Amino acid sequence: AQKITQTQPGMFVQEKEAVTLDCTYDTSDPSYGLFWYKQPSSGEMIFLIYQGSYDQQNATEGRYSLNFQKARKSANLVISASQLGDSAMYFCAMRVLQTGANNLFFGTGTRLTVIP
Amino acid sequence: DGGITQSPKYLFRKEGQNVTLSCEQNLNHDAMYWYRQDPGQGLRLIYYSQIVNDFQKGDIAEGYSVSREKKESFPLTVTSAQKNPTAFYLCASTAFETGDTGELFFGEGSRLTVL
Repeated sequence: AQKITQTQPGMFVQEKEAVTLDCTYDTSDPSYGLFWYKQPSSGEMIFLIYQGSYDQQNATEGRYSLNFQKARKSANLVISASQLGDSAMYFCAMRVLQTGANNLFFGTGTRLTVIP
Repeated sequence: DGGITQSPKYLFRKEGQNVTLSCEQNLNHDAMYWYRQDPGQGLRLIYYSQIVNDFQKGDIAEGYSVSREKKESFPLTVTSAQKNPTAFYLCASTAFETGDTGELFFGEGSRLTVL
């Protein structure tokens, strides 16, 4: 069975500082993909970053980077130089490629608040 | 611009009534999905469809029904059999092509409240 765990219900960070949002996953399949989405108060889900299980390097997208530690089954999101607009819910998700359905399994999310 | 349109954004329903949530995409994506989100919880898969005229149950399909008569459209009906339908509903789609990341593109959601 696939499972995504986000243990931080809420996080606070000072504006312009970096913050790490934790995500651990569990799957027995060797091929999988890991995603991070941002959900502002308006409700839409915004794709941030992707890491494939066979990718050798950690993914980066602008101020977002994914700290992928395969042996520990963790895929933490690092946001550098936090901005007030980063305040939102953040969800970690996993897709197991062998299922064929391409649906994502989501964690319970972390609410990030950026303090001016 | 290409995207996914969900309507209505807000919907109120009396107990015992069926309601249908609309989801339309112009991204030419093959696969479409419906997720339910409750406060403090992640998204849970209700139904998904990988091609026209075919759909599969997700983890929480009881009390819901869908159809996929057109590639662009994937409406969700919340039936009276759904015991606790008050939630935020998100529709998504993906290109589902080998080599892609397979990221899901989401609509802005529909918030259903049962009175």
